Amino acid sequence: DQQVKQNSPSLSVQEGRISILNCDYTNSMFDYFLWYKKYPAEGPTFLISISSIKDKNEDGRFTVFLNKSAKHLSLHIVPSQPGDSAVYFCAARGFGNEKLTFGTGTRLTIIP
Amino acid sequence: EPEVTQTPSHQVTQMGQEVILRCVPISNHLYFYWYRQILGQKVEFLVSFYNNEISEKSEIFDDQFSVERPDGSNFTLKIRSTKLEDSAMYFCASSVRGINTEAFFGQGTRLTVV
Repeated sequence: DQQVKQNSPSLSVQEGRISILNCDYTNSMFDYFLWYKKYPAEGPTFLISISSIKDKNEDGRFTVFLNKSAKHLSLHIVPSQPGDSAVYFCAARGFGNEKLTFGTGTRLTIIP
Repeated sequence: EPEVTQTPSHQVTQMGQEVILRCVPISNHLYFYWYRQILGQKVEFLVSFYNNEISEKSEIFDDQFSVERPDGSNFTLKIRSTKLEDSAMYFCASSVRGINTEAFFGQGTRLTVV
């Protein structure tokens, strides 16, 4: 079941630069999307979300973009900081459903 | 900041034994969830719980699993007869509403079945 895909298992970015994490989905019934950050031995930490009625949501250094026609979303982190090094998961929820479907995650490493 | 807390952080059990994983969701949240992550795999939904009953469950959540909210604060996941393949990190989560809102996760319980 690959309804939510993160095709890059890892990404390295220089400190201060922009990090762009990508996520694709196949289920057109998904209408709410979230990004979580996860450190080892901890639970996922919520970062930012977007409803399908929007194409952009911004919160501080984090911006999520949604392209519904391409079934693609991305998370931009700018500027990237060393504390941003973690595994990032995108997740999606279907209309009327409560469950989150997660992607496989992208390990982001910020190089000082 | 309010958080979801889970106990124990690590549980080792023999195959065939029953385990109970415990969670204290955020106090004003109404929706509760269990997810699990087998090592190297995706985080997978198990079950959602609202108004003292299961509102949604996945194929993973078979008769060996049950959930309960025994009092006003705890939310538990019971596995009746553990199998080796139940070894995973189990995450509890809670949210204010079931839809169009974020779920907040606990730090997880690592279950090892030997």
